[in-house]
Amino acid sequence: DIQMTQSPSSLSAAVGDRVTITCQASQDIGNYISWYQQKPGKVPKLLIYDTFNLQTGVPSGFSGSGSGTDFTFTITSLQPEDIATYYCLQYESFPLTFGGGTKVEIK
Amino acid sequence: EEQLVQSGAEVKKPGEPLKISCQASGYSFRSYWIGWVRQMPGKGLEWMGVIFPGDSDTKYSPSFQGQVTISADKSISTAYLEWAGLKASDTAIYYCVKTGVAASSRPRHWGQGTLVTVSS
Repeated sequence: DIQMTQSPSSLSAAVGDRVTITCQASQDIGNYISWYQQKPGKVPKLLIYDTFNLQTGVPSGFSGSGSGTDFTFTITSLQPEDIATYYCLQYESFPLTFGGGTKVEIK
Repeated sequence: EEQLVQSGAEVKKPGEPLKISCQASGYSFRSYWIGWVRQMPGKGLEWMGVIFPGDSDTKYSPSFQGQVTISADKSISTAYLEWAGLKASDTAIYYCVKTGVAASSRPRHWGQGTLVTVSS
């Protein structure tokens, strides 16, 4: 199985700060990674797919980059409504595997 | 509009069997893989396995092989996740997801989740 190492596991940032989350895959996954946002009690919401493609309706303040084994998810300017847990997901091969999650809080 | 509607919350005792469901609508159910995702209380997301309703081809993540059974009834566009005997550690929210045309396709649509609570 491909392991996805996501970091940090939690972070605290001020409104307006740039926030960066990383995922490292245990082997080359090409660009087959997506990023999800999950708020408490809610279904995970797709933000980014195929490394950098923004899902329809998702604000442009979210972005993704990377290739191969190292990937980055960025919130350009943190807003109160961005408080959530974020997960990466690789789908280069079965079984799909999620990163451990990053809980984002406001400082 | 594509929809996945899951069965309601369940409260069970250890050792009891359980089958939860996921009814699909708005697309060709038999043509796309359906997966199941577990989220234990306060924990992350885990991919359990997938099924292709067209021919019932099923694949399990190693951690879930032998622990659950995934099935589908294409005549009623419904996928199932089943336990022969529940354990307290099966307490979690279970999501069904519509993926794509390959077993490793990414999720395209999520059900609302089914909370399973196992307690004596």
